Amino acid sequence: NAGVTQTPKFQVLKTGQSMTLQCAQDMNHEYMSWYRQDPGMGLRLIHYSVGAGITDQGEVPNGYNVSRSTTEDFPLRLLSAAPSQTSVYFCASRVPGQTYGYTFGSGTRLTVV
Amino acid sequence: ELKVEQNPLFLSMQEGKNYTIYCNYSTTSDRLYWYRQDPGKSLESLFVLLSNGAVKQEGRLMASLDTKARLSTLHITAAVHDLSATYFCAVASNFGNEKLTFGTGTRLTIIP
Repeated sequence: NAGVTQTPKFQVLKTGQSMTLQCAQDMNHEYMSWYRQDPGMGLRLIHYSVGAGITDQGEVPNGYNVSRSTTEDFPLRLLSAAPSQTSVYFCASRVPGQTYGYTFGSGTRLTVV
Repeated sequence: ELKVEQNPLFLSMQEGKNYTIYCNYSTTSDRLYWYRQDPGKSLESLFVLLSNGAVKQEGRLMASLDTKARLSTLHITAAVHDLSATYFCAVASNFGNEKLTFGTGTRLTIIP
């Protein structure tokens, strides 16, 4: 199993550009989430999904869209990039059940100039 | 709104010493997680704590949960350099909810 795969690892965008951060997992995990990590602020939840076709907002959803058409993939779309979206983005997944923790991808470091 | 506070934010300790990281949260929850993150790397799951009085141990790390006090601790015993990392706790906001709120993290540095 490859686990949780995020692409790209690094990206530089200009203000106003759009892009999609990719996240794929091959563990048949139903639950998937996107977080952003900023210095001194821990991780903050952007959007999450409890299964294909089901998504919901997290703490900081503005400026981001998600969809979940398959169990494996959970892409994060930046609609019109802003410098405030400069961050490290992590995708995570887990199986249902209380005893299981999330498996995190390796992250995407995004810089918006 | 669920708030999660960790302390200390920074901790520098000598090898061989014991110390505790604290994680307080503001509302009831059914799950608490501890994660480790090395610089520039992803997060690694350490423990999942579910019930009051739960205690889990892995090597030199031991985590406990007091749901009545809304407090979890991560205890480090006889620290070694390899434990240097940032440690996060994360709490699920409601029963069965997947909205995790993370603490700001504790950056632990073990000095030889």
